[in-house]
Amino acid sequence: AQSVTQPDIHITVSEGASLELRCNYSYGATPYLFWYVQSPGQGLQLLLKYFSGDTLVQGIKGFEAEFKRSQSSFNLRKPSVHWSDAAEYFCAVGASTDKLIFGTGTRLQVFP
Amino acid sequence: EAGVAQSPRYKIIEKRQSVAFWCNPISGHATLYWYQQILGQGPKLLIQFQNNGVVDDSQLPKDRFSAERLKGVDSTLKIQPAKLEDSAVYLCASSLGGGSYEQYFGPGTRLTVT
Repeated sequence: AQSVTQPDIHITVSEGASLELRCNYSYGATPYLFWYVQSPGQGLQLLLKYFSGDTLVQGIKGFEAEFKRSQSSFNLRKPSVHWSDAAEYFCAVGASTDKLIFGTGTRLQVFP
Repeated sequence: EAGVAQSPRYKIIEKRQSVAFWCNPISGHATLYWYQQILGQGPKLLIQFQNNGVVDDSQLPKDRFSAERLKGVDSTLKIQPAKLEDSAVYLCASSLGGGSYEQYFGPGTRLTVT
């Protein structure tokens, strides 16, 4: 069965520092992979997605993610974090019939 | 383009009471999803509609939860009777369907059961 693991529950970084959020998936075929962000009291907003092709995908707000099949990973990165990036980040994998399986999320805290 | 609309945004009820949530998806989106998000967890799919038919309701507690999508557009999710463990954010999402996994989420309804 498909599953997603986000090993880091909570990450704290300083504003301006680089960021990497980890995501590992379990899926038999080539996966469809997503990163969503959820600000407090808000719904989820799509940051980026991978369906096929170039394994480095660019998203909104300066985020990027790299698909590594050999490691079953889809880590999210940003070279310089802004205070407004503080939020909850969810990785998801596409399952059958247009469903998404979400990880448990990583809470990002940004210090000035 | 208008996003996914949900109401109410917040609801507080006592256990054993009933509650209903409403969702209006993005125009033209065939697939509608209801998720339950408990604090500190990722969203868990409760039910998925394709137009007005149910695709997956395997994780919907059918003894107390029900959902419908009349005319393949708006949807309502009902809980009757509510339990303390139903306290969560209920998210509605929609997508084009037909292999389009990209889902668009509403702001959610935060339910507190006391």
